[in-house]
Amino acid sequence: NAGVTQTPKFQVLKTGQSMTLQCAQDMNHNSMYWYRQDPGMGLRLIYYSASEGTTDKGEVPNGYNVSRLNKREFSLRLESAAPSQTSVYFCASSGGFYNEQFFGPGTRLTVL
Amino acid sequence: EDQVTQSPEALRLQEGESSSLNCSYTVSGLRGLFWYRQDPGKGPEFLFTLYSAGEEKEKERLKATLTKKESFLHITAPKPEDSATYLCAVLLNQAGTALIFGKGTTLSVSS
Repeated sequence: NAGVTQTPKFQVLKTGQSMTLQCAQDMNHNSMYWYRQDPGMGLRLIYYSASEGTTDKGEVPNGYNVSRLNKREFSLRLESAAPSQTSVYFCASSGGFYNEQFFGPGTRLTVL
Repeated sequence: EDQVTQSPEALRLQEGESSSLNCSYTVSGLRGLFWYRQDPGKGPEFLFTLYSAGEEKEKERLKATLTKKESFLHITAPKPEDSATYLCAVLLNQAGTALIFGKGTTLSVSS
């Protein structure tokens, strides 16, 4: 079992470029999440998908879009990257919305 | 406003020197409290879930406890490999909400 996998591990973008962060889990979990982690700010929820076919905004959704492609995959898209989106992005999944979450290794994104 | 506060921000211990990390919360209704460990450059790793006041969970040198307003992570006789950032997060008893994380306590254990 790979658990939660994320691609890419590192990415550098120029302001205005777009990109999609990919996340997949092999634990047959129903719920999936996207967080960003910034120094001094802790982990903040961007979007989540409580179950396949649903997505909802978290604390900091502006500038992002998500797609729950199927039960395994949940992608995060930056349509027009800004320097304020420089961060480490983590994907997580859980069996149910109220269960413990398991995290991927993260994507380190720099926007110049 | 729902809040989670962890203290101290950083803690330095000698190997074998036991201590506790604190996670205090002011939330409208607690469904559960989670502890995670995060090593540099990696994603958080799940440690414990606590659901009700008085509950305790143990794993090796770690023991987590929960009261109505705070949780403690007790570390007994720590080793250098226990060095990491420890995060706590609360899940509210309210539909449509997700985890609220504290900012973490960075623990350094020297030999």
